[in-house]
Amino acid sequence: DTEVTQTPKHLVMGMTNKKSLKCEQHMGHRAMYWYKQKAKKPPELMFVYSYEKLSINESVPSRFSPECPNSSLLNLHLHALQPEDSALYLCASSQALTGGGEKLFFGSGTQLSVL
Amino acid sequence: AQSVTQLDSQVPVFEEAPVELRCNYSSSVSVYLFWYVQYPNQGLQLLLKYLSGSTLVKGINGFEAEFNKSQTSFHLRKPSVHISDTAEYFCAVSPITNTGNQFYFGTGTSLTVIP
Repeated sequence: DTEVTQTPKHLVMGMTNKKSLKCEQHMGHRAMYWYKQKAKKPPELMFVYSYEKLSINESVPSRFSPECPNSSLLNLHLHALQPEDSALYLCASSQALTGGGEKLFFGSGTQLSVL
Repeated sequence: AQSVTQLDSQVPVFEEAPVELRCNYSSSVSVYLFWYVQYPNQGLQLLLKYLSGSTLVKGINGFEAEFNKSQTSFHLRKPSVHISDTAEYFCAVSPITNTGNQFYFGTGTSLTVIP
């Protein structure tokens, strides 16, 4: 299994809603990532978990709350989002090798629309 | 700090013609270099990467790239494109660190193959 699975594929939410994005991989990878991608733009790193611990937070607003319950799962909890948060949210994983240079495996993303 | 520049935002090319997508980078530390492809409504897939050794690297789908340290470039080439190569292409760098978990993407080049 070389897939990163993201659910849901599409999500529409109001600014007062609370929702969660889910990501799952069974490749034994120990690093997992959340990226945000606006249309026609490159992915922007939001969070990195390494061995289930948050290792990088790229100054993301607190209305985005990541969670890594175990080595296979990564969640992104959403609360009180703004319309400008509408984007494709991509999850990725990698082996977390020392020294880097490894391949990122991406999911297909969750297309989020905030009304 | 790292930055990745893809000067060509859009590249139209006729089917079976050669193509080159340009990537330049700047970094205060040594980096690994990558090219990723994104098809519509999908996540990113690794095309190829340069870690060390031969400066000419070959990837999937007939693509290759050449690392030029003096020009800090990593241009992607394909001798003969197909309709199925129509996609968004992202160049990325990853600083060589102990954690190895950070990837920085360029702004992307939209390749359109014309029948």
